[in-house]
Amino acid sequence: RKEVEQDPGPFNVPEGATVAFNCTYSNSASQSFFWYRQDCRKEPKLLMSVYSSGNEDGRFTAQLNRASQYISLLIRDSKLSDSATYLCVVNGISNNNDMRFGAGTRLTVKP
Amino acid sequence: ETGVTQSPTHLIKTRGQQVTLRCSSQSGHNTVSWYQQALGQGPQFIFQYYREEENGRGNFPPRFSGLQFPNYSSELNVNALELDDSALYLCASSTSGGVWDEQFFGPGTRLTVL
Repeated sequence: RKEVEQDPGPFNVPEGATVAFNCTYSNSASQSFFWYRQDCRKEPKLLMSVYSSGNEDGRFTAQLNRASQYISLLIRDSKLSDSATYLCVVNGISNNNDMRFGAGTRLTVKP
Repeated sequence: ETGVTQSPTHLIKTRGQQVTLRCSSQSGHNTVSWYQQALGQGPQFIFQYYREEENGRGNFPPRFSGLQFPNYSSELNVNALELDDSALYLCASSTSGGVWDEQFFGPGTRLTVL
């Protein structure tokens, strides 16, 4: 089983749609959780940290379920500029900052 | 931009050669991590350096080695290159290596091994 698994997509949605991405992780010792965004041929950039209480930033909502080892990202009112690959990341398995990335979920928002 | 720089941007080598990739961390950051990203995959952790010491290593063979310098810049060295080493190599810096620290990525070095 992979350490971090994501639905690879692609997700093709119209502008204004709501889209949800899911991610599961295998190691219950994981300490921190993130969603990173990677545009085509660019470096990953932090989108959100994911806390146990869940968190929201504008149109983006992230949730964590430690019992099920599951992380989600919800994007509401999708914009063309949201088109990118979304990477689920877990960290701290061995007390180091050795972030483990999923393979990414590709999103295309169309007019 | 993040302030993390990498050089060179592109590199072509042949199998069996050695390569050195360089990374300058963002100002104020003392931790550098290196990742390998194959096409269509997420980044894979190679190792991390914190204050010039290796601070964790992923599942990569010993021919992948690194250094961190007193100014916190870093090098990744790969010996005996193999075709499968062709990938985008990313470095990321962070403030202290804490598990909730944001990592700031450089633009990457694209390595092609022929």
